[in-house]
Amino acid sequence: RKEVEQDPGPFNVPEGATVAFNCTYSNSASQSFFWYRQDCRKEPKLLMSVYSSGNEDGRFTAQLNRASQYISLLIRDSKLSDSATYLCVVNTGGFKTIFGAGTRLFVKA
Amino acid sequence: ETGVTQTPRHLVMGMTNKKSLKCEQHLGHNAMYWYKQSAKKPLELMFVYSLEERVENNSVPSRFSPECPNSSHLFLHLHTLQPEDSALYLCASSQRRAGDWPDTQYFGPGTRLTVL
Repeated sequence: RKEVEQDPGPFNVPEGATVAFNCTYSNSASQSFFWYRQDCRKEPKLLMSVYSSGNEDGRFTAQLNRASQYISLLIRDSKLSDSATYLCVVNTGGFKTIFGAGTRLFVKA
Repeated sequence: ETGVTQTPRHLVMGMTNKKSLKCEQHLGHNAMYWYKQSAKKPLELMFVYSLEERVENNSVPSRFSPECPNSSHLFLHLHTLQPEDSALYLCASSQRRAGDWPDTQYFGPGTRLTVL
């Protein structure tokens, strides 16, 4: 089993749609969780950290479920500019940061 | 954005060549990282330098050799690479806090390496 697993997609959604991504992790001792965004042929950039109580940043909502060992990202009112690959990132302590392979999102006009 | 810069942006080399990748961070961070990103695969952490400590992924071949002369500069020396080493090599930096909690990493634009 991979340490961090994501549905590779692609997710093809129309503008204005709501889309959700899930990510599962295998190490129950994982401490911190993040969502990064990577545009085509660009470097990853932090989208948001994921807190135990869940957190929201504009149209983006992140949730953590420690019991089931998954995190989620919800994007509301999708924009064309949201098209990218979304990377789930899990830290299990110290420098051990594991990246998922990413979920590709295409938002269509 | 110029927080983390990498040179060269593209590199084509033969298997017998020796080359070096350079990374520089202008964010005042105290940790720097090398990652490898191959097509359709997750980012793979290769090396970490933090507060003069070096951490490495034991699966990285010895043909990759990192060097960190100071907290702002990081090099990856390459020699006798194989075609399967062709990938995007990303540098990142972060500010490591007390208690060793994970921190946000800021990535450079990467060097796209092709080994012929």
